[in-house]
Amino acid sequence: NAGVTQTPKFRILKIGQSMTLQCTQDMNHNYMYWYRQDPGMGLKLIYYSVGAGITDKGEVPNGYNVSRSTTEDFPLRLELAAPSQTSVYFCASRANSNQPQHFGDGTRLSIL
Amino acid sequence: AQKVTQAQTEISVVEKEDVTLDCVYETRDTTYYLFWYKQPPSGELVFLIRRNSFDEQNEISGRYSWNFQKSTSSFNFTITASQVVDSAVYFCALSERSGNQFYFGTGTSLTVIP
Repeated sequence: NAGVTQTPKFRILKIGQSMTLQCTQDMNHNYMYWYRQDPGMGLKLIYYSVGAGITDKGEVPNGYNVSRSTTEDFPLRLELAAPSQTSVYFCASRANSNQPQHFGDGTRLSIL
Repeated sequence: AQKVTQAQTEISVVEKEDVTLDCVYETRDTTYYLFWYKQPPSGELVFLIRRNSFDEQNEISGRYSWNFQKSTSSFNFTITASQVVDSAVYFCALSERSGNQFYFGTGTSLTVIP
């Protein structure tokens, strides 16, 4: 199994550009999550989803949007990129509330 | 309020020393789950262990052991005879049966000095 796959691994954006971070999982997990991790810091929840068609805001949703049209995919959209969004972004999934989250390898995003 | 507290921001030990990473959690649920993750310098997040609120037995896996105490709301992680490869950031996390989120602590950065 591939697990959780994130693309791209690295990206440099200019201020004001937009992009979509892709996340797909092949474990048929209902729950999916997006986190950002700033240098030397912990994980902050951006958005999460408990199933196809259902999404909810986390701790730091401003400047981001998500959609969940299928169980497998949970893309994260950045509109009008700002330097404050420079971070490493992690996608995770899990089957239910008693299971661990499985993480992708992360996307390192720099906005200049 | 912070649901998971890892008071130790950074710890340094000399190789072969034992080290304990503290984790204190807060929840009103009677059914909940606790986790530890490791994030080595390469950046990936690696799941180490899960404990549910009904099982207070300590767990040992090689040089790693975990002590879960509901009376003090703690889930501490001990590395015995530490090695340089143990150098990483370690995160404790909580999941409640009634909720959908996963609450991470702020992490403890462990450096093992050769």
